[in-house]
Amino acid sequence: AQSVAQPEDQVNVAEGNPLTVKCTYSVSGNPYLFWYVQYPNRGLQFLLKYITGDNLVKGSYGFEAEFNKSQTSFHLKKPSALVSDSALYFCAVRDEGGATNKLIFGTGTLLAVQP
Amino acid sequence: DAGVIQSPRHEVTEMGQEVTLRCKPISGHDYLFWYRQTMMRGLELLIYFNNNVPIDDSGMPEDRFSAKMPNASFSTLKIQPSEPRDSAVYFCASSLGGQGFGFNEQFFGPGTRLTVL
Repeated sequence: AQSVAQPEDQVNVAEGNPLTVKCTYSVSGNPYLFWYVQYPNRGLQFLLKYITGDNLVKGSYGFEAEFNKSQTSFHLKKPSALVSDSALYFCAVRDEGGATNKLIFGTGTLLAVQP
Repeated sequence: DAGVIQSPRHEVTEMGQEVTLRCKPISGHDYLFWYRQTMMRGLELLIYFNNNVPIDDSGMPEDRFSAKMPNASFSTLKIQPSEPRDSAVYFCASSLGGQGFGFNEQFFGPGTRLTVL
């Protein structure tokens, strides 16, 4: 069965430094991958997705993600972190069971950006 | 567009009472999802609908939970009777079915924070 793993419960980074939030996936077919962000007391917000094409995907708020098929990874990155980026980040993969929009979410990674 | 609308935003009730959570998806979206989020269990998919029809309810914890979608613009999640362990944030999300290789993201509502005393 398809799945995603977020190996870090929390990532700490200083403001202005580059950040990476890791995600690895497991699928039997072509992966459809997503990143979402959740700010405190809010719902999840879509950041970006990979369906096909360029391995570097650009998304909202200056975030990007790199799809790496050989390493089965889809890490989220940003060149320069902001304190306002502090939030909970979820990686997700499309459920392969039929024609469906169902997503399988990871456990989330808390990003803390220190001023 | 106003986005996905959920009501109430907060609900405090006593054990044994019936709770009804409401969701209005984004107009034109044909998929609707109900999730539950807790610290212990993270984000769990409870049930989802396509064109108002329940497709997968395997995440519904037990018979006390039920969900309906009487039309394309409204869905409810009901808990009867409620228990303290049902305390969580419940999210509704909607999306537009993809065509061919297209696949569209889910849009989440602000959530309903449920506390069962």
